Amino acid sequence: DAGITQSPRYKITETGRQVTLMCHQTWSHSYMFWYRQDLGHGLRLIYYSAAADITDKGEVPDGYVVSRSKTENFPLTLESATRSQTSVYFCASSEQQGANSPLHFGNGTRLTVT
Amino acid sequence: RKEVEQDPGPFNVPEGATVAFNCTYSNSASQSFFWYRQDCRKEPKLLMSVYSSGNEDGRFTAQLNRASQYISLLIRDSKLSDSATYLCVVNGGKNQGGKLIFGQGTELSVKP
Repeated sequence: DAGITQSPRYKITETGRQVTLMCHQTWSHSYMFWYRQDLGHGLRLIYYSAAADITDKGEVPDGYVVSRSKTENFPLTLESATRSQTSVYFCASSEQQGANSPLHFGNGTRLTVT
Repeated sequence: RKEVEQDPGPFNVPEGATVAFNCTYSNSASQSFFWYRQDCRKEPKLLMSVYSSGNEDGRFTAQLNRASQYISLLIRDSKLSDSATYLCVVNGGKNQGGKLIFGQGTELSVKP
């Protein structure tokens, strides 16, 4: 069945290391998103992409880099991980943005920065 | 003020109870509204969209009041399986590129 998959499911890394979270979708959805979820903050948008080679910042982009060379992939890179980036990261996709186009989420990556 | 605010919860209710969640949003230009459900340690999933005239899906009823910038979700005859966190989601309007904004969620626990 087509879907959206994230990898890894769990990751422990050290402060200062670079780490990349992967996201792959098979629906050919135009839009892809990265959210982080923390207690007390809910889901916050990090970056999103409207199409291949088009990306834009969300609410909390600092310390993160994204790319979208292919429609189906949207990796998120933490250039130099910090403890404040310990979180659950969700990737999502949708056909359109906003109106009448629900988000389909991956099952998340739990990242711990020590 | 947060862009999307929900009842803090948690709501602890017995099976069979009716429970209502409220959500307010700050951007009057918002045009799309949703309720998502998130089970513990899992990804959010769309529960239902919210339409201007209100809409119902089985035991779930969603209402929208644009004048008050208020959304509600009513769950009738609560089941144990309804236990989850319910997220109110609003699109940010054109001045925010139409991005979806999530409330912090309201936790529901249905007890036997």
